[in-house]
Amino acid sequence: NAGVMQNPRHLVRRRGQEARLRCSPMKGHSHVYWYRQLPEEGLKFMVYLQKENIIDESGMPKERFSAEFPKEGPSILRIQQVVRGDSAAYFCASSPPGDWEKLFFGSGTQLSVL
Amino acid sequence: SQQGEEDPQALSIQEGENATMNCSYKTSINNLQWYRQNSGRGLVHLILIRSNEREKHSGRLRVTLDTSKKSSSLLITASRAADTASYFCAPNQAGTALIFGKGTTLSVSS
Repeated sequence: NAGVMQNPRHLVRRRGQEARLRCSPMKGHSHVYWYRQLPEEGLKFMVYLQKENIIDESGMPKERFSAEFPKEGPSILRIQQVVRGDSAAYFCASSPPGDWEKLFFGSGTQLSVL
Repeated sequence: SQQGEEDPQALSIQEGENATMNCSYKTSINNLQWYRQNSGRGLVHLILIRSNEREKHSGRLRVTLDTSKKSSSLLITASRAADTASYFCAPNQAGTALIFGKGTTLSVSS
């Protein structure tokens, strides 16, 4: 059973471009979480999704950021019109239905905005 | 959701010594979890202790939970260089996303 897969591993964007980060949860997992980590900081919760539903987006910036977890395919974290302050490591985690307690993390996407 | 606060922020020890990290939180919980993060990698789940448990062991890890003081500790015995990592606690309430603090950075030198 493959782990949580995130791609790309590294993403470079210029200011004003769009960034799309993908996360494929572990097989059978229906809950996905996105976190952002700045250097020397802990992980900041962004959004919690189940298939086709956003459960908690209290950590998402109000503008430029959106997330989805469609019925088919990976979860996508989309950042429009990126700015330098968006540079960070973005981690995705998943958990199975009925066992929401324990999270399995991907290796992250390092976003660099030039 | 609530965030745990780990203490100390950084800890340096020699191989073979024990490492103790503490976590405090503010409101009632269903369980508390500890995760480890190696540099540049995602978090790895270490251990989960439920609110009705006081102590739990997993290999060289020992976790305690004191719900009256709203605190937990993680003890790593006979530490190894490979234990060098950041450690995070996550106090958990039912149906909410885990919130992580800044963690404790552990350095184990040989």
